[in-house]
Amino acid sequence: GAVVSQHPSRVICKSGTSVKIECRSLDFQATTMFWYRQFPKKSLMLMATSNEGSKATYEQGVEKDKFLINHASLTLSTLTVTSAHPEDSSFYICSAREGGRDSSPLHFGNGTRLTVT
Amino acid sequence: GQNIDQPTEMTATEGAIVQINCTYQTSGFNGLFWYQQHAGEAPTFLSYNVLDGLEEKGRFSSFLSRSKGYSYLLLKELQMKDSASYLCAAQDSNYQLIWGAGTKLIIKP
Repeated sequence: GAVVSQHPSRVICKSGTSVKIECRSLDFQATTMFWYRQFPKKSLMLMATSNEGSKATYEQGVEKDKFLINHASLTLSTLTVTSAHPEDSSFYICSAREGGRDSSPLHFGNGTRLTVT
Repeated sequence: GQNIDQPTEMTATEGAIVQINCTYQTSGFNGLFWYQQHAGEAPTFLSYNVLDGLEEKGRFSSFLSRSKGYSYLLLKELQMKDSASYLCAAQDSNYQLIWGAGTKLIIKP
């Protein structure tokens, strides 16, 4: 089955620093990847849609200058949390659809637990 | 607006059957997904329904009624490892996924 790999799984950083999270589709190509954020006991919140070779599409209320997304190849998308603050602490998850069909399920990476001190 | 409703928490006994309901209101409809999420982990895909009826996959089945805006996930022969959150997500006319808050399922021996 389709595998999405996300790294790192956990990261602790100090306020003001930047953190980069990588998301890779290991056995399929993904022209589109999705970045989600999840607060404890809450639903998934779509932050942005990453598009290979073009700019990401951000959801309303998500600061694009704070959450930088780069989709440099058909198998790699990165999310950089810039000038991190404690309120950015959360669980970040990337996902992609195999085959690019809208009836295909989203396959998720294992998530990144970010803690900003 | 678009909305997904599912119970916050359910409790069931090992070996029993449990049904998790989900109702949705979306602008257009292009299918409904069920995912399982264990604590601290990412969601894993369980099922996809786009036509009315029941889809069976081993111990898990999913049902859809488009006219009622309703779906359920049926788990049979419950095992302790089934303790998890179950997320319902409906796809709207733009193929955007609208996520429910998830149902935390607690399995007791």
